[in-house]
Amino acid sequence: AQKVTQAQTEISVVEKEDVTLDCVYETRDTTYYLFWYKQPPSGELVFLIRRNSFDEQNEISGRYSWNFQKSTSSFNFTITASQVVDSAVYFCALGSGSARQLTFGSGTQLTVLP
Amino acid sequence: DGGITQSPKYLFRKEGQNVTLSCEQNLNHDAMYWYRQDPGQGLRLIYYSQIVNDFQKGDIAEGYSVSREKKESFPLTVTSAQKNPTAFYLCASSIHMPSFDEQFFGPGTRLTVL
Repeated sequence: AQKVTQAQTEISVVEKEDVTLDCVYETRDTTYYLFWYKQPPSGELVFLIRRNSFDEQNEISGRYSWNFQKSTSSFNFTITASQVVDSAVYFCALGSGSARQLTFGSGTQLTVLP
Repeated sequence: DGGITQSPKYLFRKEGQNVTLSCEQNLNHDAMYWYRQDPGQGLRLIYYSQIVNDFQKGDIAEGYSVSREKKESFPLTVTSAQKNPTAFYLCASSIHMPSFDEQFFGPGTRLTVL
């Protein structure tokens, strides 16, 4: 069975602080994909990153970085120097061949205060 | 501009009525999806379609129906059999399935049953 756990329901930080959003996944497949999406108040999900199970290299994109660790089944997301515009719900998702569909975590509501 | 459109943005219905949510994409994607989002929860898959005239049930298909007569369109009907239809509904598409390409999302329709 596939499962994605985002234990942090809500996080509040002050602008310019760094913040890490946790994602822990479960799957029996050896080939799988992990995703992060951002859902701003407008409601539309915005794709941030896709990572396959064979690529454990960390990735950085501007103020965003992702830490993928197969040993702990985690795919954490860090925002450096947070901004008010980063306020949104962030979803982690898992896709693998056996399930043939994405499994989403319950999301983390991030609020960045000015 | 390529993208996904959903209409209407807000929809109200009385109990016992069927209602159809529209989803159109001009991205030339083969695969399309319908998700349901409830407060504080992740997205749950209702139906998906890999190709025209073909669709499959997701995790929570009961009380819903879909059609895929055209590549660009994937309407969702919420029937009176759906016991708790009030929710936020998101449509998505991807190039193929189940290659786990990035899914592009529409702006969503918020359905309220009065």
